[in-house]
Amino acid sequence: DAGVIQSPRHEVTEMGQEVTLRCKPISGHDYLFWYRQTMMRGLELLIYFNNNVPIDDSGMPEDRFSAKMPNASFSTLKIQPSEPRDSAVYFCASSLYLTTEAFFGQGTRLTVV
Amino acid sequence: GIQVEQSPPDLILQEGANSTLRCNFSDSVNNLQWFHQNPWGQLINLFYIPSGTKQNGRLSATTVATERYSLLYISSSQTTDSGVYFCAVDGNQFYFGTGTSLTVIP
Repeated sequence: DAGVIQSPRHEVTEMGQEVTLRCKPISGHDYLFWYRQTMMRGLELLIYFNNNVPIDDSGMPEDRFSAKMPNASFSTLKIQPSEPRDSAVYFCASSLYLTTEAFFGQGTRLTVV
Repeated sequence: GIQVEQSPPDLILQEGANSTLRCNFSDSVNNLQWFHQNPWGQLINLFYIPSGTKQNGRLSATTVATERYSLLYISSSQTTDSGVYFCAVDGNQFYFGTGTSLTVIP
C-alpha cells in the first residue's frame, strides 16, 4: 500500500473561495482522521470517521468547515468560504482500530490570501 | 478543557544518549497518544497508550493514568530521532500538548 495519500500538497487560494482537500486512507483501515496544524494553535484533531461515519466532529472550528467520507477509500475536507486564518497544514491519517497507531499523509499546506 | 503540559520544551542530546520526555494532563482521559514530527513535517503516531507500558524498538512509553502523566523514553538516541514529540489526550475532546523539541547531534 502506498500509505495515506493527500492532495493537493500545496494550495494557495483567495479569501472567500471554496477549498477542497482530499484524502485516500490505507486500504482496510476503518478509521480516518483530519488534523490541522498552525503556529498559533498547534495540532488539533478536527474530525474522525469510523467506517465512513463521522464519529466526533467537536474539533471542527465552525460551519465553514465540512468533511465527508462517501466511501472507504476517499474523504474530503471542505472550507467554504475560506479565510486567511484557515491557513495551516492539514493532515489526514488512518488506522485499523481506534486503539492502534495511525498512519499520516504528507499533509496539505493551505495558504489563504 | 484538559490542560496538557509537556516537558522539557527543548532538549539537545548527544547521539547515543538516553532521554525521558514527560506529559502531564489535568483530568481523567480515555486515551493518550504520542506522536513524532520530524524536521520535514512528517507526523508519526508512536504509541496509543491509555495506561501501562509499551515498547517499540528503542522507544518505550509508560502512562500512569491515576497520576495523570505519561513518559516517553528514548534510548541510544540517533539523529533521526530529532524533531518534535507531542502527546495528546482524549477526554471529552482531543487535546494536544505543545511538544518537546528534540535535537540529537552527532
